[in-house]
Order: sequence, then C-alpha cells, then structure tokens
Amino acid sequence: DGGITQSPKYLFRKEGQNVTLSCEQNLNHDAMYWYRQDPGQGLRLIYYSQIVNDFQKGDIAEGYSVSREKKESFPLTVTSAQKNPTAFYLCASSTQQGGGGETQYFGPGTRLLVL
Amino acid sequence: RKEVEQDPGPFNVPEGATVAFNCTYSNSASQSFFWYRQDCRKEPKLLMSVYSSGNEDGRFTAQLNRASQYISLLIRDSKLSDSATYLCVVNMHQAGTALIFGKGTTLSVSS
Repeated sequence: DGGITQSPKYLFRKEGQNVTLSCEQNLNHDAMYWYRQDPGQGLRLIYYSQIVNDFQKGDIAEGYSVSREKKESFPLTVTSAQKNPTAFYLCASSTQQGGGGETQYFGPGTRLLVL
Repeated sequence: RKEVEQDPGPFNVPEGATVAFNCTYSNSASQSFFWYRQDCRKEPKLLMSVYSSGNEDGRFTAQLNRASQYISLLIRDSKLSDSATYLCVVNMHQAGTALIFGKGTTLSVSS
C-alpha cells in the first residue's frame, strides 16, 4: 500500500529546543517537499529536494533544516532559530520535477505546538 | 500582488445547490493548474487537474481561461460530503519552483 507517512501526528517543542519531523514515502518519487500551513493561510514552501543528497530553500527556509540521504526519507528539523514554529507541517512528494505538471501527494501532516 | 487569489468564503449552500469558485493567478508563465480539496485538520488531496479545454469529473467541472489568468471550479448537486476547503494551485514548471497554493475557499453544504 503506497503512500506518504509523517510522524509524529502531534509534536510539542520547548523553548530553545530543536525538533525533527519525519517524512517517508514508498511511492518511488524523486522529489519531496515540506510546507507549512498557518490557520487561514495557504501552504508555504519551506524546502524541497529533487534528488537524493540535494535540496533547495523554499520561501520560508529560515529556522529550518533538512537532509535527503535516502530517496524515501526527507526529515525536517525545526531549530531554535525558528521563533514562531506553531503550525501544521505537510510533507509531499512527486515524480521528478521539471516541466510535466507533476501532481504532488501529501502526507497526513504533523501539528507542532510550542510549550 | 498575490500570486494565486481566491475568495475565502465561506460559501454556505443547501444540498443540491450548484456552486462556483473562482481563482486568479498573477504569473502568465504558469503552466499547470489544479484544484485540491482539504478537509478540516487534514492534508490536501488532489481533486482534479485543470486543462485548457475544460474538464469534468462527475459533478465537478473545471475551467481555465489563460487570457484572463482565471480558473474556476463548478460543483453541481452539492452533497453534505462536499463541505471542505478548496485550494487553487498553480505550477510554473520552472526549475526551482514547486506548487503555488491559494489560501482556499471554504464550502459548507447544509441539509
């Protein structure tokens, strides 16, 4: 059963703490993405990766970091530098980005709350 | 100027009604267009792609007007289960870009 999984569903962060959100896909997709969604707002791109060992900043990358060591996995770390991390974080994947109108498929999301 | 604009609603309609959502995009280089549906506190899911010739999927019809940079979604015979937020999404197909999402239009269908 192919799809995208994200964990945990809810995550609580203390002040000054780094936390990592997991994203795994078994769709054999090349490209993966991280978005942030705030209430009443559209999705905003944090980072994306088109191939293993390569990733690019999106529109709001400050305070976040990623890695892409495996095709299936694209974890997102929310660092202490991100001063307003409370949001709904969505991971997505698609076939190779580059001109084909590739559809993105989303994981179920992680809600991050600051204690 | 916002890249993808939608009327946020909410649109409150009775079951069986026909409702239309509009979306405008600012970048004429945009090349692919989609409607996604997002239920409360869930992830977005692809509803349908939008083609220049217009396309229909059951009760849903999507239209694209490139000259006016305008996309629409028509829902006929609304069901209670259609209640959700509908996201207009644009892809410019340029290296280094991903999808650009509108903020969404909320639909509430009541019995």
